[in-house]
Amino acid sequence: GENVEQHPSTLSVQEGDSAVIKCTYSDSASNYFPWYKQELGKRPQLIIDIRSNVGEKKDQRIAVTLNKTAKHFSLHITETQPEDSAVYFCAAGTNAGKSTFGDGTTLTVKP
Amino acid sequence: NAGVMQNPRHLVRRRGQEARLRCSPMKGHSHVYWYRQLPEEGLKFMVYLQKENIIDESGMPKERFSAEFPKEGPSILRIQQVVRGDSAAYFCASSPGGSNYGYTFGSGTRLTVV
Repeated sequence: GENVEQHPSTLSVQEGDSAVIKCTYSDSASNYFPWYKQELGKRPQLIIDIRSNVGEKKDQRIAVTLNKTAKHFSLHITETQPEDSAVYFCAAGTNAGKSTFGDGTTLTVKP
Repeated sequence: NAGVMQNPRHLVRRRGQEARLRCSPMKGHSHVYWYRQLPEEGLKFMVYLQKENIIDESGMPKERFSAEFPKEGPSILRIQQVVRGDSAAYFCASSPGGSNYGYTFGSGTRLTVV
């Protein structure tokens, strides 16, 4: 089955700095790569996604990149703000069924 | 659109009792997924269902756990004879067309076994 590895597990940055979270996946059939943000005690929420026919996607301060050959994808957050502090999960999905999640990255943005 | 509705939000059960967790997907979504989350850990897949069908239950323990998504009504995750290790947050998610669409998660059910 699919295996998704996510790094780092914790990340602390100064407000205004950039944050990068990286994931790798194992199943070459995976074609959909979403990212979710989970604030403490709340539900995960989809923040951005990318499909395998696209190399990069941007939405304001958030961008995702995908290297299908290397089976890597990354989340980039620029100009971080304290409200960006949360746990971020990457995931990989296929047409066949479920998404497999990484173990999460706890991002702390210090004011 | 009310989103994905899960109930109850909190459930306390004594060891040996049964726990029933309910999930109503978003309107128009026919794919339902259950994930389990232990404190400060990731989301572990349990089961994927469509109406009246279990598509993938590879993440569900073979004993004590079962899931259904009937033609009418919510999806149910059932845990029989609960043990302390079942204490966790159980999240339901729905999508319109499988895992190449984003999930909408419910607020979760936090199960505590005492």
